[in-house]
Amino acid sequence: GAGVSQSPSNKVTEKGKDVELRCDPISGHTALYWYRQSLGQGLEFLIYFQGNSAPDKSGLPSDRFSAERTGGSVSTLTIQRTQQEDSAVYLCASSLTGQVATQYFGPGTRLTVL
Amino acid sequence: KQEVTQIPAALSVPEGENLVLNCSFTDSAIYNLQWFRQDPGKGLTSLLLIQSSQREQTSGRLNASLDKSSGRSTLYIAASQPGDSATYLCAVINTGTASKLTFGTGTRLQVTL
Repeated sequence: GAGVSQSPSNKVTEKGKDVELRCDPISGHTALYWYRQSLGQGLEFLIYFQGNSAPDKSGLPSDRFSAERTGGSVSTLTIQRTQQEDSAVYLCASSLTGQVATQYFGPGTRLTVL
Repeated sequence: KQEVTQIPAALSVPEGENLVLNCSFTDSAIYNLQWFRQDPGKGLTSLLLIQSSQREQTSGRLNASLDKSSGRSTLYIAASQPGDSATYLCAVINTGTASKLTFGTGTRLQVTL
């Protein structure tokens, strides 16, 4: 079946602009996660959704970052007033349920802020 | 705060060798541990998941073990092939932290002909 998909695959933006990153989880997966992978920082958790609610937002680095999930499916990660330090690969994952289930990752969106 | 470390950071072996990748974590209160591989420019592919009550999992040429009390996991790759070349990451989910994965630093593996 179809895996986790993300769009766009690459995004180049200018400092100060807003960007939206999209994630389509595997059909039927109730849990959705956003992670960020940057040089020197490794892979870091950003936010976790169970259905449409986000019980864990502890990884969002600042209030410029927000995310929503609608219909228990598609999620959008929005970064406002982008900064150069936001440049990274943003990865989305989904799992059948939370906690004990395997997380399946999408290919990621590479964000470059000039 | 959970910290996950992987040793070695990089490894190069000739084709056919058996090898072991190591992962250690500081907080043993985990739900499970997952091993992933990441190919350049690609996302993560899940290899094995070990629940906290399990000691090992096997898939093909891969075997992962878990010693929760000592905070260690190993990934054993038998008869390595050039196609195994990738970065290998381990990650844990802590109890009481919903479902977020805390990742290790990764081991970059190169299998040469």
